[in-house]
Amino acid sequence: KQEVTQIPAALSVPEGENLVLNCSFTDSAIYNLQWFRQDPGKGLTSLLLIQSSQREQTSGRLNASLDKSSGRSTLYIAASQPGDSATYLCAVRRGGGSQGNLIFGKGTKLSVKP
Amino acid sequence: KAGVTQTPRYLIKTRGQQVTLSCSPISGHRSVSWYQQTPGQGLQFLFEYFSETQRNKGNFPGRFSGRQFSNSRSEMNVSTLELGDSALYLCASSPGQGPGEQFFGPGTRLTVL
Repeated sequence: KQEVTQIPAALSVPEGENLVLNCSFTDSAIYNLQWFRQDPGKGLTSLLLIQSSQREQTSGRLNASLDKSSGRSTLYIAASQPGDSATYLCAVRRGGGSQGNLIFGKGTKLSVKP
Repeated sequence: KAGVTQTPRYLIKTRGQQVTLSCSPISGHRSVSWYQQTPGQGLQFLFEYFSETQRNKGNFPGRFSGRQFSNSRSEMNVSTLELGDSALYLCASSPGQGPGEQFFGPGTRLTVL
């Protein structure tokens, strides 16, 4: 059974710091991995999607990497800003053809202090 | 392009009642998935529809059901509500038959009293 773990559960950093959020999964047979951001009481905003054949994806100050063999992904945020404060969720889509729901971690709650 | 829309945004019901939630996917998207989010369990998959057919289902009781219409809009229904059904219900759409990127709506906050 696929399990997704995110460490740490919460993180507080001063503005301007570079930081890394971690995601691990138990079954390497994934189709893709997606990072999301969720603001309190809101829906999920997709940040980056990494296909299983890819090693990393970049969007602005965000860089996500994927190491399928070790079951790990990291989300790197450069030069953090107070507006980056949110919960970051990692989700994997299991393989096996066109079907396969997203399996989520519990998230990392990030607080960026001015 | 408009995003995923969900109605209503907030709902208060009492135990034993039933509820219907609606989701309109991004124009052109044919796949709709539903998820339940609670503080204790996090995000859990309910079901997925593609071209009006349920093609994947999570581990929820039969009180939870859904359907998809020919215009790709989807509804989910929860019958005989329980206190534990209080949650944020999120709908996600993706373009086609393959497991592509999923885009989420703002959610419906259901409170069961």
